[in-house]
Amino acid sequence: DAMVIQNPRYQVTQFGKPVTLSCSQTLNHNVMYWYQQKSSQAPKLLFHYYDKDFNNEADTPDNFQSRRPNTSFCFLDIRSPGLGDAAMYLCATSRDRLAGGDNEQFFGPGTRLTVL
Amino acid sequence: KNQVEQSPQSLIILEGKNCTLQCNYTVSPFSNLRWYKQDTGRGPVSLTIMTFSENTKSNGRYTATLDADTKQSSLHITASQLSDSASYICVVSDDMRFGAGTRLTVKP
Repeated sequence: DAMVIQNPRYQVTQFGKPVTLSCSQTLNHNVMYWYQQKSSQAPKLLFHYYDKDFNNEADTPDNFQSRRPNTSFCFLDIRSPGLGDAAMYLCATSRDRLAGGDNEQFFGPGTRLTVL
Repeated sequence: KNQVEQSPQSLIILEGKNCTLQCNYTVSPFSNLRWYKQDTGRGPVSLTIMTFSENTKSNGRYTATLDADTKQSSLHITASQLSDSASYICVVSDDMRFGAGTRLTVKP
């Protein structure tokens, strides 16, 4: 089945130790998104790629970086995780941009990050 | 500032009952509004997508309405089931801005 896959589902890292979360998709969608969701809060968009075009949200900390080496894969790198970065990280895709149309957005199951 | 506000924050209903969740937004302009269902520990799943010209959209027991003049949307759930227990999130897509969600609990 076509889907959005996130690995690992649970990640534990130490304060300040770089960590990479991965997302892959079999939908061949142009757009891939990374969201941060803290407990009982709405998902917050960190950045998204339209194909290879990277779009960073203005309030996304520099500590968060992303790579999209090809259509299928997208990575979230946290260079120096702090305790406040513990959250669920959601990857999503859409065939085209969400604005101006009815493109559906598909989410992965998320990676729960714990920072010790 | 563009905002998406949902009410109530949480809601408890008995199985079989109907309920309505509200979403008010100040995002302008916008081209579409989405409702998602998010089970605990899972990613959100799309329920409905409405463009600004649509007034209502149904997906099974879920019916979303949109009033672009008053900038209000609602999600009506009919004949609730235990599996409807989840967070329901309203998203105004042009701004990619998520509401905080309504936590629905359906009890037997």
